[in-house]
This record gives sequence, C-alpha cells and structure tokens, in this order.
Amino acid sequence: GQNIDQPTEMTATEGAIVQINCTYQTSGFNGLFWYQQHAGEAPTFLSYNVLDGLEEKGRFSSFLSRSKGYSYLLLKELQMKDSASYLCAVQAPGTYKYIFGTGTRLKVLA
Amino acid sequence: EAGVTQSPTHLIKTRGQQATLRCSPISGHTSVYWYQQALGLGLQFLLWYDEGEERNRGNFPPRFSGRQFPNYSSELNVNALELEDSALYLCASRPTSGGGTQYFGPGTRLLVL
Repeated sequence: GQNIDQPTEMTATEGAIVQINCTYQTSGFNGLFWYQQHAGEAPTFLSYNVLDGLEEKGRFSSFLSRSKGYSYLLLKELQMKDSASYLCAVQAPGTYKYIFGTGTRLKVLA
Repeated sequence: EAGVTQSPTHLIKTRGQQATLRCSPISGHTSVYWYQQALGLGLQFLLWYDEGEERNRGNFPPRFSGRQFPNYSSELNVNALELEDSALYLCASRPTSGGGTQYFGPGTRLLVL
C-alpha cells in the first residue's frame, strides 16, 4: 500500500524558519516532490528529491532520507506570501503515477 | 511558453447530470493527469493518459471517464453527478522525457446542486 503523512496545519512568524515534514510508506519509491498551493489556485512545483540529502533552492530546501521514508521542506526567511498549503507527493516505482499527501497548511503571521 | 489550460473555470450542474471538463497540456507534453481535490482534502488521483491511452486510474467509480485526443489535450467526463462530486478538478501535464515533474492547470471548480 501507499500512505503519505504530513501535519495538517502549521503556524510561523514572518522572518522565521519552518520545517514541514513528510513521511511515506510505499511499496517502492521513484522520487519525492514538493508543491506549493495557494488557496483556490493550482499547485506549483517547488522541489524534487530522488537521492538522499539536501536540495537547496534559494529560501527553500528539501531533504530526503529513503531509508527512513522521510522528507522535509525547509522554508527560511518566511514571508507573508509563503502562507499556502504545501503538498508532498511520491512517484510510484516503475511508473509515472503520483500519490499526494493531504498537504500542510502554513500560516505566516506578522 | 503557455502553461496548462483548463476549461471551464467554473461549472454548476444538478445531481444526475453529466459534466465535461477539458484540459490542454503544455506544448510538447504527452502525459495528462486528472486529480480531484475536494474541500479540505488532498489531491486524489483520477486518471493518467499518455500518448492517447489510459495508463492508470484511481479508485473512482466508472462514471468518471475520459480520453486523450491526438493533439494530447484531454477531456474528463463525469456521469450521473452526485453532490459529493463537488470539488476542484485539476489537470497536470508532464513532458515525455526530462523527469517526472508535473505542471498543473488552474483547475475547474465543479459545483453539483
């Protein structure tokens, strides 16, 4: 089976750092994606991890540990516009089918 | 480069009717995915088309169906609409080569009364 877990909601302060965790239990693994989705809008691609380690892209970084079935998205220097849902998705092995978590709603407070 | 487009943006139907949603992928993308996102829920995988063929479908009843046309655009049909079909329907496309990143369209918001 395939299951992806993320916290439902998180709150952080403008300028701070926040870490959004994602754990997955899948029968296989072909890569993990993070998407950002503002309310009422389409998800937009943030990052992709297929090997263990940290991928950095400006204020956003994503980490993967395949042995632990664990990833996190790190957002630095939080801005009000970062208030959104963050979706973790796993690519099933041997296919281009994707399983999404329910998403983490992040609220950034002034 | 134009992104994924979907039409209509909003659709209002009554229970029992049929709905047709359309999606045009990014130029050069041959794979199209459909997802349902009900209020407060995550993206639920509906269908995946590639090169005109259905490659996989999610755990949805057969009244959810679709097709992909020769130009790689796609249509999602929902028959015998039920109240719980009210949701945002998202289409995403993926290039044939160059990785697995999906690019999403703005979605069609379907309301079933």
